[in-house]
Amino acid sequence: EVQLLESGGGLVQPGGSLRLSCAASGFTFSNYAMSWVRQAPGKGLEWVSGIRGSGGSAYYGDSVKGRFTISRDNSKNTLYLQMNSLRAEDTAVYYCAKAGPQSYGDHCFDYWGQGTLVTVSS
Amino acid sequence: DIQMTQSPSTLSASVGDRVTITCRASQSVSSWLAWYQQKPGKAPKLLIYKASSLESGVPSRFSGSGSGTEFTLTISSLQPDDFATYYCQQYNSYWTFGQGTKVEIK
Repeated sequence: EVQLLESGGGLVQPGGSLRLSCAASGFTFSNYAMSWVRQAPGKGLEWVSGIRGSGGSAYYGDSVKGRFTISRDNSKNTLYLQMNSLRAEDTAVYYCAKAGPQSYGDHCFDYWGQGTLVTVSS
Repeated sequence: DIQMTQSPSTLSASVGDRVTITCRASQSVSSWLAWYQQKPGKAPKLLIYKASSLESGVPSRFSGSGSGTEFTLTISSLQPDDFATYYCQQYNSYWTFGQGTKVEIK
């Protein structure tokens, strides 16, 4: 059974930093791209960042480019999101999401974690 | 960047109704379009991928169609468990979600 478990969320002041983790199990982690998707309170879904299975290529949404860094440790089956220079508008539930099989295309998200809440406030 | 626009934003319907949600892309995404269902406090759930392929385990009352810039999600006979918010997502060029369509009880 595929499981994705996020951790690391919490309350941080504007300008601060936070690192999110997503522990994966139930599939061969290194074979799949992974992404972070966030949802501000009462709002829709926003793709934040993605990384290929090998970790060789990473992608960022315009709103976080230059502030956030995605990485993965395939030996630990864990995905990370380092968030720096945090702003109030980064307040959201952050989900990690697994890319679907190759047959689905490159790619939609077939499994999601339960999310971790990040609150940026003084 | 590709923008995704869903309509309507909110839809009021009754159990048994046929429901259609539309998603339009600002440029062609071919068939690289997915639909998700999200209930309050829960993670999104994949319903449809490649515009019209039903994800395993998803009831057959859900169907998707379209290609290029216009897509639809149809629920053939709305069930109590279907009251939720639905999102489209393109994955032709990076990844973009629509703003969501809330299906509520009439």
